Amino acid sequence: DQQVKQNSPSLSVQEGRISILNCDYTNSMFDYFLWYKKYPAEGPTFLISISSIKDKNEDGRFTVFLNKSAKHLSLHIVPSQPGDSAVYFCAASKGGATNKLIFGTGTLLAVQP
Amino acid sequence: KAGVTQTPRYLIKTRGQQVTLSCSPISGHRSVSWYQQTPGQGLQFLFEYFSETQRNKGNFPGRFSGRQFSNSRSEMNVSTLELGDSALYLCASSLGPQSRGTIGYTFGSGTRLTVV
Repeated sequence: DQQVKQNSPSLSVQEGRISILNCDYTNSMFDYFLWYKKYPAEGPTFLISISSIKDKNEDGRFTVFLNKSAKHLSLHIVPSQPGDSAVYFCAASKGGATNKLIFGTGTLLAVQP
Repeated sequence: KAGVTQTPRYLIKTRGQQVTLSCSPISGHRSVSWYQQTPGQGLQFLFEYFSETQRNKGNFPGRFSGRQFSNSRSEMNVSTLELGDSALYLCASSLGPQSRGTIGYTFGSGTRLTVV
């Protein structure tokens, strides 16, 4: 049972344009959501997070939006740069002091120069 | 400062064998988590350890086990290997379980296990 889903395996965007990566979840007990970025042959690196009590969080070119009623979150990257080309994973966690994360299957973003 | 070190980087094993993977966390980090990454499945949580105690376990068969030592280094073991165990195994460390996977939760580069 995939509790966190990323339905787009890949996305191609032109440099300078907006990249929008989407993620859906099924478990209403999740209270914290994260986005990770992964380059080949490296471990994932934390990008941005959002608590379930918020609907938006910004960090530079990256903004995460959370729609709790739709159980949907999205990551916006503006403007997109070729160095953003990587696999992006969304992840969720359920309450308490834990590092247990439930990950989606990832979206490969290709930013074309 | 040194990052999370996973050894070996690559491993080829035969079906039925067992394997032990090692993870050395960042100095001072006491929490270690393990994940399995396979194509199409994303990262799936295996275990979480803090101060030598298993705090959480994912939905994997009993062939998958782990432990954490007093110096916070962790090992995971897979017995009676199956072809489907071929994957990238990643560990992540943090100061404690309160990081919630954010800043300070650092992944290693992983061990690529191939079962033939």
